[in-house]
Amino acid sequence: DQQVKQNSPSLSVQEGRISILNCDYTNSMFDYFLWYKKYPAEGPTFLISISSIKDKNEDGRFTVFLNKSAKHLSLHIVPSQPGDSAVYFCAASHSRPISGNTPLVFGKGTRLSVIA
Amino acid sequence: EAGVTQFPSHSVIEKGQTVTLRCDPISGHDNLYWYRRVMGKEIKFLLHFVKESKQDESGMPNNRFLAERTGGTYSTLKVQPAELEDSGVYFCASSQVEGVNTEAFFGQGTRLTVV
Repeated sequence: DQQVKQNSPSLSVQEGRISILNCDYTNSMFDYFLWYKKYPAEGPTFLISISSIKDKNEDGRFTVFLNKSAKHLSLHIVPSQPGDSAVYFCAASHSRPISGNTPLVFGKGTRLSVIA
Repeated sequence: EAGVTQFPSHSVIEKGQTVTLRCDPISGHDNLYWYRRVMGKEIKFLLHFVKESKQDESGMPNNRFLAERTGGTYSTLKVQPAELEDSGVYFCASSQVEGVNTEAFFGQGTRLTVV
């Protein structure tokens, strides 16, 4: 029973255009969402996060949108660059008093290919 | 500042053998996590230490897996005896305890192949 779903295993985008990666979740307790980027033979690298009190967070070319009612979030990359080609993982957790967030629950990832 | 480091980067062992994976978290990070990714699937949680204490080990597959974190510093994950289905990439991650919503930093992973 997957709590975090990335339904697109792959995505190809032309350089300079917008990349939109989608993620759905089922657990309404989740209140913190993250995107990680992973290159081959490396560990996931934190990219951007969003708390459930917000519906948008922007960091340079990367913007994450959260739609709590739809239990959906998306990562927008604009403009896309060839160096953005990687696997992108959506992850979620929920906060606990004192002991901090629960361990991350990951989706299966979406492989983004940015074509020059 | 050094990131999360894992050793070895690759390990190939025969079914029935024992393997020990090591993780050195970022200095000062009390939270240490082990995750596993099997055959291109999602990255799945195994267990969570806060300092030397096991906070949550609900993701450990079975009792062939044993994790320790001596003195609240580095951690080891031992698989004994290894089975074919244990093959995958094992990631370690660390994060600070204070504050809510702190991201976890991952190591490069250990690719374990059981043959």
